Amino acid sequence: GESVGLHLPTLSVQEGDNSIINCAYSNSASDYFIWYKQESGKGPQFIIDIRSNMDKRQGQRVTVLLNKTVKHLSLQIAATQPGDSAVYFCAATGHSSASKIIFGSGTRLSIRP
Amino acid sequence: DTAVSQTPKYLVTQMGNDKSIKCEQNLGHDTMYWYKQDSKKFLKIMFSYNNKELIINETVPNRFSPKSPDKAHLNLHINSLELGDSAVYFCASSQDGDLLRKQFFGPGTRLTVL
Repeated sequence: GESVGLHLPTLSVQEGDNSIINCAYSNSASDYFIWYKQESGKGPQFIIDIRSNMDKRQGQRVTVLLNKTVKHLSLQIAATQPGDSAVYFCAATGHSSASKIIFGSGTRLSIRP
Repeated sequence: DTAVSQTPKYLVTQMGNDKSIKCEQNLGHDTMYWYKQDSKKFLKIMFSYNNKELIINETVPNRFSPKSPDKAHLNLHINSLELGDSAVYFCASSQDGDLLRKQFFGPGTRLTVL
């Protein structure tokens, strides 16, 4: 079946370094991808998204890269801060409102001082 | 102002009981969702409603029944609660369209079935 997976369940980075969180998806028909951040005790919060007609999109301190050939996307966080500590989810879906939204299992990012 | 709100935040109940979780969004979105997040943080969609019509209904027990009285509300009723129903339930909403289906999530309802 369809799946969205992350390469690492946990990631520890030094404060100030860049973080890279990876995600693989299985459905070639997926054309919209989203990254969410979930802090402890809260709901997931939208970070950045990308359509399949793009391979890179930048936000504030975050960049998402999409490689459709190998069905892989990544989230890069520049100059990681303590407030970035959270679980990060990638999600993939199709173009219609009836398309399933498949979430990855999450990567827990922890920041070392 | 809260965009997506859920009540209650915590729900502790006995097996076999019937309970409801309410969700409201004030974003004017057309689509609302219910997700279940298990203890390993895995987030799985359960239902999706668009303008009060069910559009996604994943394989969930028919003890779970969503109800959308209007497009700003999507409630989840659960009959005959079981231990395995213990999880955090998230409501979300999105505005479908050419742009983006990014979803706004509520704070979650932690359900504990004893």
